[in-house]
Amino acid sequence: KQEVTQIPAALSVPEGENLVLNCSFTDSAIYNLQWFRQDPGKGLTSLLLIQSSQREQTSGRLNASLDKSSGRSTLYIAASQPGDSATYLCAASNTGNQFYFGTGTSLTVIP
Amino acid sequence: DAGITQSPRHKVTETGTPVTLRCHQTENHRYMYWYRQDPGHGLRLIHYSYGVKDTDKGEVSDGYSVSRSKTEDFLLTLESATSSQTSVYFCAIRYWNGSYEQYFGPGTRLTVT
Repeated sequence: KQEVTQIPAALSVPEGENLVLNCSFTDSAIYNLQWFRQDPGKGLTSLLLIQSSQREQTSGRLNASLDKSSGRSTLYIAASQPGDSATYLCAASNTGNQFYFGTGTSLTVIP
Repeated sequence: DAGITQSPRHKVTETGTPVTLRCHQTENHRYMYWYRQDPGHGLRLIHYSYGVKDTDKGEVSDGYSVSRSKTEDFLLTLESATSSQTSVYFCAIRYWNGSYEQYFGPGTRLTVT
């Protein structure tokens, strides 16, 4: 089983700033790690997935990295925009059968 | 789009009544999951299924049962609803996209009074 932690619980940044969200997991025998975005009152939208054999994945202004040895993944958001305001969750899986979620980081981008 | 729907989307019920939530998918995915989401706890797995009639417990399964008689439907039943089961319930499927990923339904907001 994975224990997944996301710190801080909340983050507020001015528009245009680059930022990093953190996700820590306890078991380095990870299968993959998936980042999600959740808008208030809505479901989860998948952003990026990193397989255990990969170091990073990129999609537009988002870049996710994976360091198995240190038990960390980061989600880098470049040139933040107010539309990026949401809660970001990470989920780690050891086998691809069960997925363990962090409690999320609530991001506010101030115009 | 994995074609996942949840019903009902909102429900208010009284303590002690049974409640059944439905998750429906259209693409024959083998694995389906039920989670609950509460402030400060993130998403916690209730039950999951790896095929018709094949289910297993998650970390918060007490007070819940599930059934899967068809590939496309995964039902979550609260046998006797309690106020502690007030939550948002999400269904998810697992699919292959070079690796196993999850795709989520829109959620059901359940209030137990």
